[in-house]
Amino acid sequence: AQTVTQSQPEMSVQEAETVTLSCTYDTSESNYYLFWYKQPPSRQMILVIRQEAYKQQNATENRFSVNFQKAAKSFSLKISDSQLGDTAMYFCAFSAGYGGSQGNLIFGKGTKLSVKP
Amino acid sequence: SQTIHQWPATLVQPVGSPLSLECTVEGTSNPNLYWYRQAAGRGLQLLFYSVGIGQISSEVPQNLSASRPQDRQFILSSKKLLLSDSGFYLCAWLGLKTGYGYTFGSGTRLTVV
Repeated sequence: AQTVTQSQPEMSVQEAETVTLSCTYDTSESNYYLFWYKQPPSRQMILVIRQEAYKQQNATENRFSVNFQKAAKSFSLKISDSQLGDTAMYFCAFSAGYGGSQGNLIFGKGTKLSVKP
Repeated sequence: SQTIHQWPATLVQPVGSPLSLECTVEGTSNPNLYWYRQAAGRGLQLLFYSVGIGQISSEVPQNLSASRPQDRQFILSSKKLLLSDSGFYLCAWLGLKTGYGYTFGSGTRLTVV
């Protein structure tokens, strides 16, 4: 069974600085998808960034980027130029495939990020 | 555009009362639909998923049930609520491309008293 582990329950960062959130996962699949979701105090789940396992290039979305290490089964999220609006719970998630039960997302327990002014 | 609607936003129900949470999707057809529950301070637990009308798969035995009466409608129900059913419930849809991940509804905060 696949598992997702986020080892940092809480983190804080000063505004404008860079922070990295860690995520490791376990799977026997060769192709899969990885995601980072953000859940602000409103509790709306928002997709931050995604990565297909077959792509070697790390995904980037504006200030958000990932460091995907397939062999190490590691998928960390880097937030550059942190902003107060980045304060939220961040969830790492894994999906083995394509709809139905394969499309189910398996979530880590989350990292609570606080951006301080 | 593709959107997902979930209601109500907040619900306070007594123990033993029934429950009905509704989720509808617009702008897409034949979506894969999911119900998740998030207990306070914890991650998301998959409850049910559906790949089509009338097709429901349950991931966790519990006091809840789900139905999909129409292609873009997904309903979470209970005949008699328990205190342990309290939590934050999220509906999500998955389009044809898994790589795009879920789109989540805004959630329902359920408190059973």
